Amino acid sequence: EAQVTQNPRYLITVTGKKLTVTCSQNMNHEYMSWYRQDPGLGLRQIYYSMNVEVTDKGDVPEGYKVSRKEKRNFPLILESPSPNQTSLYFCASSVGVGTEAFFGQGTRLTVV
Amino acid sequence: AQSVAQPEDQVNVAEGNPLTVKCTYSVSGNPYLFWYVQYPNRGLQFLLKYITGDNLVKGSYGFEAEFNKSQTSFHLKKPSALVSDSALYFCAVRGGISNTGKLIFGQGTTLQVKP
Repeated sequence: EAQVTQNPRYLITVTGKKLTVTCSQNMNHEYMSWYRQDPGLGLRQIYYSMNVEVTDKGDVPEGYKVSRKEKRNFPLILESPSPNQTSLYFCASSVGVGTEAFFGQGTRLTVV
Repeated sequence: AQSVAQPEDQVNVAEGNPLTVKCTYSVSGNPYLFWYVQYPNRGLQFLLKYITGDNLVKGSYGFEAEFNKSQTSFHLKKPSALVSDSALYFCAVRGGISNTGKLIFGQGTTLQVKP
C-alpha cells in the first residue's frame, strides 16, 4: 500500500530534550516536506527536500532541522524543543512540485 | 505574497442538501489548486486538483470544484451532502512560478452535515 509513515503518532516531552520524528514513504517520491498545523493557521511548511541531500527552509524553519540521506526518509529534528513547538506535525511527499501531496497520519507533539 | 483564504470557519448543511465550501487565492502566475479533507485523528487526504483545462474539476467521494480565474476562486461543491462528509476541509495553492513545491494552505473550514 502506498503510504507516508510517521512515528511517533503522539509525543510528550520536556523543554530542551532533543527529539526526532521519523517520516518514510514507499512511493519513490522525490519531493518531501514537513508542515505544522495550528488552529486557525492552517498548515505551514517547515522544511522541504527536492531530492536526496537537497533540503531548504520553508516558512517556519526556526528551531527545526531535517536531513535527506535516503530518498524514502525525511526525519524532522528538534534539537532543543520549546513549548511554542507544541503542534500537530505532518510529513508529505509528492512525485514533483506540480502534483498532489500524500500526507502521513500526523504526529501530535506536546512540549512542557 | 501568495495566500489562500477560506472565509468560513464552519459550514452547516442538512444531509441531502447541496454544499459549498469557499476558497479564494492570490498567487503569481498560473495557480495549481488543491482541496484536501482531514478526518479526526487522520492525515490529510487529497480530494481534487486544478492544474489546467476544464474549469469544473471532479474528484473523490462525489466532490467537485469550480475554478474561476476572474474571481480567483476555487469553491468546493457537492450536490447532495452526507453525514459522513463532516470533516475539516483545506484549500491549498501552489504558485505557477514556484519551484519549491510549497503548498500554501487556507485556515480550514469545518463542514458539519446534520441528519
